Amino acid sequence: AQTVTQSQPEMSVQEAETVTLSCTYDTSENNYYLFWYKQPPSRQMILVIRQEAYKQQNATENRFSVNFQKAAKSFSLKISDSQLGDTAMYFCAFMKPLTQGGSEKLVFGKGTKLTVNP
Amino acid sequence: NAGVMQNPRHLVRRRGQEARLRCSPMKGHSHVYWYRQLPEEGLKFMVYLQKENIIDESGMPKERFSAEFPKEGPSILRIQQVVRGDSAAYFCASSPSGRGSNQPQHFGDGTRLSIL
Repeated sequence: AQTVTQSQPEMSVQEAETVTLSCTYDTSENNYYLFWYKQPPSRQMILVIRQEAYKQQNATENRFSVNFQKAAKSFSLKISDSQLGDTAMYFCAFMKPLTQGGSEKLVFGKGTKLTVNP
Repeated sequence: NAGVMQNPRHLVRRRGQEARLRCSPMKGHSHVYWYRQLPEEGLKFMVYLQKENIIDESGMPKERFSAEFPKEGPSILRIQQVVRGDSAAYFCASSPSGRGSNQPQHFGDGTRLSIL
């Protein structure tokens, strides 16, 4: 079974600075997908960024980028120019696709609570 | 476009009662996933359904929990004889074809279940 570990329960950053959230996972699969979701105080789950394991290029979405290290099974999220609205819980998630015999359910880590300070 | 609709947003039940949580997927989506989030925890997969079929229920507790997604109407997650440990936020997500890797799951706002 796949597992996802987020070793930083809480982090804080000053507005406009950069912060990196860590995520490691365990799988024997070669092809899979990784995601970062954001959960603000409103509790809605918002997709931030996703990475396909067979793609070597790291995914980027505006101020959000990932450092995907497949051999190390590491998938960290970097938030540049942090904004107050980035304050939220951040969850790393793993998915085994249908093409690999999975049901495409998401396996989540326990989350990192990020606070952006003014 | 309406997103994934879950109702109620908050549900309070006494121990031993039944809880019914509803999820209407996004228009055009025929695949539904249910997740549970305990306090201070990440979301944990419960069940994956397509219309009239349960595809993967590996995360469902063996007793008291059931789910359905009928041909017409919303998906229902049913919890019988609720206990305090069932208190959690229950999230529903939908995708158009189950290939969430290419078409990400869209989440509803969740139902917060409180057991007195």
